[in-house]
Amino acid sequence: EDQVTQSPEALRLQEGESSSLNCSYTVSGLRGLFWYRQDPGKGPEFLFTLYSAGEEKEKERLKATLTKKESFLHITAPKPEDSATYLCAVQAGGSGTYKYIFGTGTRLKVLA
Amino acid sequence: DTEVTQTPKHLVMGMTNKKSLKCEQHMGHRAMYWYKQKAKKPPELMFVYSYEKLSINESVPSRFSPECPNSSLLNLHLHALQPEDSALYLCASSLLAGTSTDTQYFGPGTRLTVL
Repeated sequence: EDQVTQSPEALRLQEGESSSLNCSYTVSGLRGLFWYRQDPGKGPEFLFTLYSAGEEKEKERLKATLTKKESFLHITAPKPEDSATYLCAVQAGGSGTYKYIFGTGTRLKVLA
Repeated sequence: DTEVTQTPKHLVMGMTNKKSLKCEQHMGHRAMYWYKQKAKKPPELMFVYSYEKLSINESVPSRFSPECPNSSLLNLHLHALQPEDSALYLCASSLLAGTSTDTQYFGPGTRLTVL
């Protein structure tokens, strides 16, 4: 069964304390992995798309990496405004099929 | 510009009402999506439209009726909903349609409450 799992479920960091969020997946035919940030009551905001193992993307304090089994979202020197829920999603399936599966998210709180 | 707009922002309706949610994008995207998100849960895919045709229906009850009048507009018609249908309804769009791999861009959502 296709599955996407995120850990930890919740994370509290002090401002400036770097850390990593994990997204593990078990799917057949990975086509892409996506990271989103979601603030309470709002729609997910796109961050990164990763297509193949070894790929890395960076944006400001965030860096996403991808292996054959998992993806990491590294947050360097976070600020309080980085507090949000971070979601990963996986697109999978062969020709003619479509699966877009979200993980349950990591709720990040950065304290000043 | 990667903006998807949704109206209304909030909607309260009774179980016998008929209402509609609206979604628009003007990015030339060929695929549009409806998701349902309950509190502290990830979004769940409901419908996918590719080139204005319904391509995926994730076994959604018939009280939810999607419509894609043109390539920029997506509606979700609601009728005889249940209180458990209360949720954040999200619309998304992507440039490529069908089963192509592509990034989805989300709107801000409509917060629906069913009394």
